[in-house]
Parts: sequence; structure tokens; C-alpha cells
Amino acid sequence: SQKIEQNSEALNIQEGKTATLTCNYTNYSPAYLQWYRQDPGRGPVFLLLIRENEKEKRKERLKVTFDTTLKQSLFHITASQPADSATYLCAPMDSSYKLIFGSGTRLLVRP
Amino acid sequence: EAGVVQSPRYKIIEKKQPVAFWCNPISGHNTLYWYRQNLGQGPELLIRYENEEAVDDSQLPKDRFSAERLKGVDSTLKIQPAELGDSAVYLCASSTGTGGPGNTIYFGEGSWLTVV
Repeated sequence: SQKIEQNSEALNIQEGKTATLTCNYTNYSPAYLQWYRQDPGRGPVFLLLIRENEKEKRKERLKVTFDTTLKQSLFHITASQPADSATYLCAPMDSSYKLIFGSGTRLLVRP
Repeated sequence: EAGVVQSPRYKIIEKKQPVAFWCNPISGHNTLYWYRQNLGQGPELLIRYENEEAVDDSQLPKDRFSAERLKGVDSTLKIQPAELGDSAVYLCASSTGTGGPGNTIYFGEGSWLTVV
């Protein structure tokens, strides 16, 4: 069955550093991959979408890569701020547009 | 513009009791989703509607869960009877189009269900 793996341990970094989150998937060939941010007690919020033919996508301080050979996506936040502290969810999307969410990685940015 | 509105925000019920959740999507969004999110997990799709039609309900436990979207706008998700394992956050979301890569999915705040 399709499996999405995100690091279950929280990532704890110092303000100003770059945060890098990993998403690995197996038994799956998604055509697209989305990243969401979820704050405690809130619904997920869409951040970025990357297509399988795109290697990299940027939006302000965010950067996403998509390696279909490694079956992996990396999500980077540069110049991180305490306000970036949240859980980040990876969600590959198949050709039928069905999203499958990973369990998320919690990011903590220390001031 | 108002986002996706869900109610109730919190619900505590005893097992075997029924419960219903209501969702009002963003105006003009024809695709509506219900997801369930267990603690520490990502959301899992229960059902997806395009207008009034349920186009994907393969993950909906049909023995106790039901959903409807009358007139292609508001939607209700019902559980009857509830079991302890149904304790979770029930998220409603909506998008324009068919929810494809060009259509951003917007989530509501969720309805938190605790079954005791």
C-alpha cells in the first residue's frame, strides 16, 4: 500500500537557521506533491505545490524539491523565525487528484 | 471572505450515541471534502463531493458513517452509533474545480469529537 514517511521527531532549530524537512514515499508515483502547515487546533493551510517534472519550487523563504528517483521531497525554510513553528504536512497527489497526507513533522524555532 | 465554517467545534458524547457535523464551504467552491485526523497523524479522506455527487467515498465506513450534500452547498457528516475509536478531529475542506493541482484546498478549523 502507499506509504508516506515524515520524521516523527520534532525538529528544533535556532532562529535564523534553515529548517529542512523530509518526506519519503513508497509504492507510489505521485504526479504532484503539496506541503501544508498546520498550527495546533487549526486546519491545514496550503503552502506549495510541485509537479513531478519540476525539480524545485520557491515561494518567499520556502523552497521545495521533488526527486522522483529517490521518491523524496525536501521542504526548506530559510532564515527561520519563531512564527514558523508549526507542524508541516507532506501530501503527494496521484493522477486522480487524491491527496494522501503524511503524519507531519513538528518544527520548533527557538528565538 | 469567510473561510470554511464547521460546527460544532467540540463535541463529547457517550459511545453508541449519534453525532452530526455540519460544514459550510467557501462560496462558489463546488468540491467538498470530509477528512478525519487522529492525534499525531495526517488527515485521511473520508468522502469527496463534486457538487451533490459523492465521487469518492471508498474510505467512508458505511456501516456507521453517512454524509450528504444537499443542493451542492452545505454538507453534514453523521456517525451512528459512535464508537470509542471515532474520537478524532473531523475536518471539512473545499476547493474550486475538481480539486486538482490548480485548485487550492481550503480547510476548516475542524470538529473535535471525543467519545467516552
